[in-house]
Amino acid sequence: ETGVTQTPRHLVMGMTNKKSLKCEQHLGHNAMYWYKQSAKKPLELMFVYSLEERVENNSVPSRFSPECPNSSHLFLHLHTLQPEDSALYLCASSQETGAYYEQYFGPGTRLTVT
Amino acid sequence: AQTVTQSQPEMSVQEAETVTLSCTYDTSENNYYLFWYKQPPSRQMILVIRQEAYKQQNATENRFSVNFQKAAKSFSLKISDSQLGDTAMYFCAFTLGANAGGTSYGKLTFGQGTILTVHP
Repeated sequence: ETGVTQTPRHLVMGMTNKKSLKCEQHLGHNAMYWYKQSAKKPLELMFVYSLEERVENNSVPSRFSPECPNSSHLFLHLHTLQPEDSALYLCASSQETGAYYEQYFGPGTRLTVT
Repeated sequence: AQTVTQSQPEMSVQEAETVTLSCTYDTSENNYYLFWYKQPPSRQMILVIRQEAYKQQNATENRFSVNFQKAAKSFSLKISDSQLGDTAMYFCAFTLGANAGGTSYGKLTFGQGTILTVHP
């Protein structure tokens, strides 16, 4: 276990549904990240938060809406998704942002959009 | 923009033998970090080893070592005495250092991954 948990582990949703992914880190870190892992594609960084402030939005469509209410919790709100959004969504945290700090990953949420 | 390429989609090795996974990258910067991450079938990705570009000495962590060739922009991972628990997807990743090309915000760029299977 890395100290980063994600719920749910699996999620199936229709294109008109609204759902949320949750990430929690128990490491006392100040930075949190969302990544998307699609089959046969490299991991893609979606969002970066530092001390609850979003510092990076990597051209992610607005149907993905992140929220970071405190430095321990990170949410990804989903609405009106497309089938191509089906993927493994990984959360990570690090002590601070920046290259020096190791990122600790959660187990991921496997999302299927029908 | 930085790119990371792993040209071996799949590799296999016998238990106790040595295997090398390849990674090349492209950047015009001098200040950066390189990483190898391991993602076992349970899906929780963990850091295996890290290399700072300014360090000439290759990083080692127990059975894991890298061959960092800065001029060639190559960063291979060698796993010695392979164990069944080494079976996983391995990702090579790159990030700029804090003062290279502006704030990096720890933005990792990943390769496509190499699936490594260790056979008994």
